[in-house]
Amino acid sequence: DAKTTQPNSMESNEEEPVHLPCNHSTISGTDYIHWYRQLPSQGPEYVIHGLTSNVNNRMASLAIAEDRKSSTLILHRATLRDAAVYYCILPGLTGANSKLTFGKGITLSVRP
Amino acid sequence: NAGVTQTPKFQVLKTGQSMTLQCAQDMNHEYMSWYRQDPGMGLRLIHYSVGAGITDQGEVPNGYNVSRSTTEDFPLRLLSAAPSQTSVYFCASRRDIQNEKLFFGSGTQLSVL
Repeated sequence: DAKTTQPNSMESNEEEPVHLPCNHSTISGTDYIHWYRQLPSQGPEYVIHGLTSNVNNRMASLAIAEDRKSSTLILHRATLRDAAVYYCILPGLTGANSKLTFGKGITLSVRP
Repeated sequence: NAGVTQTPKFQVLKTGQSMTLQCAQDMNHEYMSWYRQDPGMGLRLIHYSVGAGITDQGEVPNGYNVSRSTTEDFPLRLLSAAPSQTSVYFCASRRDIQNEKLFFGSGTQLSVL
């Protein structure tokens, strides 16, 4: 699987936008970019995914660089409930290449 | 749909004991996997399966066995528990199609004394 690198932690103020970066310089042309988040004491949950174009859903937006070597998860107005660990992964193709590995993710802290 | 169900939620073992962590999904997903998460660490892949009868090792397979006799179930067995296996364990599943999202269970917190 292609590797991703993320900063260990970020801080934000409540009700301000948050931009969480992810580098994936070895991404292949068919790799989708997925983001998951893990709230305290819970299992990870899906947030958003994309291939080339920017994507929006009710939880967040995903901005993908033109060369696809990096992406940014955008939380438009951070709330205290958004404090979590955010993971960026590239699930890749299936079958024998299905080792879906996660890094340590970004720990987001939100200040009231 | 119940999604991905893990049992038990909590378990305490003594060193050397054996046990099985259960994982079941009702979404007819071909792909299932087990992760462990230690404090301050991300998720590390233990074993995964791309269908009934097919399993493979992840990043940290030592000390764990798996089998996949049905599409729905993917149990994780600890044959002789060690304190180093104290961790939170998550099961996940998805359809075995590119770009499908992962669904996670709520986790099993295991302590080995």
